This record gives sequence, structure tokens and C-alpha cells, in this order.
Amino acid sequence: EVQLVESGGGLVQPGGSLRLSCAASGFIFSSYAMNWVRQAPGKGLEWVSGISGSGDNTYYADSLKGRFTISRDNSENTLYLQMNSLRAEDTAVYYCARRSNSAFVDWGQGTLVTVSS
Amino acid sequence: DIVMTQTPLSSPVTLGQPASISCRSSQSLVHSDGNTYLSWLQQRPGQPPRLLIYKISNRFSGVPDRFSGGGAGTDFTLKISRVEAEDVGVYYCMEATQFPRITFGQGTRLEIK
Repeated sequence: EVQLVESGGGLVQPGGSLRLSCAASGFIFSSYAMNWVRQAPGKGLEWVSGISGSGDNTYYADSLKGRFTISRDNSENTLYLQMNSLRAEDTAVYYCARRSNSAFVDWGQGTLVTVSS
Repeated sequence: DIVMTQTPLSSPVTLGQPASISCRSSQSLVHSDGNTYLSWLQQRPGQPPRLLIYKISNRFSGVPDRFSGGGAGTDFTLKISRVEAEDVGVYYCMEATQFPRITFGQGTRLEIK
């Protein structure tokens, strides 16, 4: 059974940093591209970032303007999202998702990030 | 950038009756490889999204056959043949043709009358 478990969310002040993790199990982690998708309170889904199975290629939403960095550790079956210079508008539930056949086939339960003073 | 527009934004439906959600893209979603990477997701209240349909019309594993997807080019539809109580939630279309960017529709809320 595929499992994706996010962690690392919490309350952070504007301008602060946070590192999210997504622990994966139940599939060959290095064989799949992984993505982060966020959902602001009461709002829709927004793609944040993606990374290839090897980790060699990374992709970001234009709106992030270089503040976030996606990475993965295939030896630990873990996906990361380093978030810097956080703003109030980054407040959201952050989901990790496994990509297969150009669809997001599995999703974690999400971790809440709240940016507030 | 591709814009995905869903209609309606809210759909009250009677149990046992059909429901239909439309998704229109601002550009053709036909990829250079010939595939169309349009999928549909369901998000039940308090739950993460769940894949229902991929590449326009392929039902994902475990998805009931009352869900079906169709369309081509820029116009796509998700249909539920007979709505059940567990279908309540928000439905999103998602395009992955413009790799690596991903765009979601704004969501359609399905509720029971």
C-alpha cells in the first residue's frame, strides 16, 4: 500500500523558514516524480513544485520566485520542500503527491503551514 | 499559461440523479506525444484530493464505474451517472500537458439537494 506522510508544518513568522518532509513507502520511490501541491484555507489547489525520480530535474511555480527548494533523498524515501522568506499568502495545507502517467495518483494527508506574526 | 475554467462552480444534485461538470482549457491540451493529460480529482470534506480519471477518460484503480470522463482538445466533462451521498465534495480538473507546469481548475462543489 502506498503511503505518503507529510510533516514539518507549523506556525512561522513572516520572513521565516520551514522545511517540509514527505516520507514515502509502498513503491519504488526513485522511480517516480514527486510534487508538492498546496491549498490555502477555503481555496482551491495550487501546484507548487515537482522533482524527477533521480532528483536531477526540479520545477517550480513562477509565483514562488526562488523562495522554495524541492529535493529528495532516494536512500531515505523522503521528499523535501525548503521554504524561505515565507509570507502570509503561503499559509496553506501542503500536500505531497506521486506522479504517474502525468497524473497525481497518490496524495498524502497534508501538513498545515501558517505564516503569521 | 493555460487557464482551466470549470462550470458550474456549485452543483446541487438529487441523490440517484446524474451530475455533470465541465472543464474548459484556454489552449489545446493535446501533447506533442499525442496524449491529452487531463485528469479529474475528487476532494471529500476534510480529505486530501483523490485521483478519479486520468488522460480524459481512464478510471483510476478503485474508482466506481458511475464516474466517467470525456472530451477532447479544450473541452472536457466529468459525469456521475447516479450521485451517491459519498460523492459530496469538490471536484477539480487538472492539466499536465504543459509539463512541467501543472494547472488546476478552480473546483466545483457537488452537494446534495
